[in-house]
Amino acid sequence: GAVVSQHPSWVICKSGTSVKIECRSLDFQATTMFWYRQFPKQSLMLMATSNEGSKATYEQGVEKDKFLINHASLTLSTLTVTSAHPEDSSFYICSARKQGNNEQFFGPGTRLTVL
Amino acid sequence: AQKITQTQPGMFVQEKEAVTLDCTYDTSDPSYGLFWYKQPSSGEMIFLIYQGSYDQQNATEGRYSLNFQKARKSANLVISASQLGDSAMYFCAMTRGPDKLIFGTGTRLQVFP
Repeated sequence: GAVVSQHPSWVICKSGTSVKIECRSLDFQATTMFWYRQFPKQSLMLMATSNEGSKATYEQGVEKDKFLINHASLTLSTLTVTSAHPEDSSFYICSARKQGNNEQFFGPGTRLTVL
Repeated sequence: AQKITQTQPGMFVQEKEAVTLDCTYDTSDPSYGLFWYKQPSSGEMIFLIYQGSYDQQNATEGRYSLNFQKARKSANLVISASQLGDSAMYFCAMTRGPDKLIFGTGTRLQVFP
């Protein structure tokens, strides 16, 4: 199989704090991981592409200093929402791609609520 | 620019009936991939089916089939013999470049007894 996990599954934090979300590929090596954001009743929007050992590539309009991405190993990528504000409240989903495969395997998502 | 369009915000279907979810796309890439994902209320994205732009035959996976009409740039999902557990959001997606995906706005399917 190709299982991707995310931790935590949900988090509530105060405005101004930072939150780290982990994305792990459990049974395969992921050279590329992707971070998406989904607001209620909306579609998934790609935030950034994370490649192991190199800097992430951010989509237009996504602040790289606010959404810090680290892809330190072939099985782990982290997204840190810095100085979170209520408008950052959203469902964050990661996906991982196997080398040589078109398919993206999605994590279960992390629901972030910023008070 | 690439674009995915799902024009049906919601669909209803009776259990055991077939249903078609529409998806049209626009791209200038000669090679691309089309995906359908199911998202239940729990939020996880479940891969359903994939169609490559050069695939001659329509993709099928169990009760799911993809009606690929390249000239019309459509990639409709057909679910046969609907089940109550099929009630969910369904997203059509297309590759953008070598590895990125763009998603449509989704269709909420509700299956009733």
